[in-house]
Amino acid sequence: ETTLTQSPAFMSATPGDKVNISCKASQDIDDDMNWYQQKPGEAAIFIIQEATTLVPGIPPRFSGSGYGTDFTLTINNIESEDAAYYFCLQHDNFPHTFGQGTKLEIK
Amino acid sequence: QVQLVQSGAEVKKPGASVKVSCKASGYTFTSYGISWVRQAPGQGLEWMGWISAYNGNTNYAQKLQGRVTMTTDTSTSTAYMELRSLRSDDTAVYYCARGRYSYGPDYWGQGTLVTVSS
Repeated sequence: ETTLTQSPAFMSATPGDKVNISCKASQDIDDDMNWYQQKPGEAAIFIIQEATTLVPGIPPRFSGSGYGTDFTLTINNIESEDAAYYFCLQHDNFPHTFGQGTKLEIK
Repeated sequence: QVQLVQSGAEVKKPGASVKVSCKASGYTFTSYGISWVRQAPGQGLEWMGWISAYNGNTNYAQKLQGRVTMTTDTSTSTAYMELRSLRSDDTAVYYCARGRYSYGPDYWGQGTLVTVSS
């Protein structure tokens, strides 16, 4: 089973900031990494697929990078509406596994 | 637009079973599968399994084998997840999510809280 170590668990940012969220896999998963955003009481939203591809309709201030074992979600020019819980998922092998998640607060 | 609407919250006693539904709309149901994922309070997300809406093939998480059954009803575009012999550590929010085998989900349901308590 592939373990995903996501960090940080919590972060606080100011509008206009750039933030990075890391997800490290315990084994090589190629680019089989997705990122999601979830707000309380709402369905999760798919934001990055295959590590680097922005899902259509997602603002371009979101981007993803990485391959193999180290992956990063970057949010440029943070807006207040980006306050949410973010999590990574690997779909390279079964069982699919998730990072522990990052709660992003906007001051 | 793609929507996955899940059934409402449930409270069950230890040893009971629960069946959560997930009604899909906005796409051809049999062209995708449905994953089920859960999140216990204060914990991370846990993949429970996947079912093909095309042919009913399933892939369950090993730790849930024997206690979980995933099914679909193509006539109503609804997926179901039944979990038996409930324990307190099954208390969680359960999510359905659309996806193809070996690919991560793209659309998610809103979640169903299942509370197991005596």
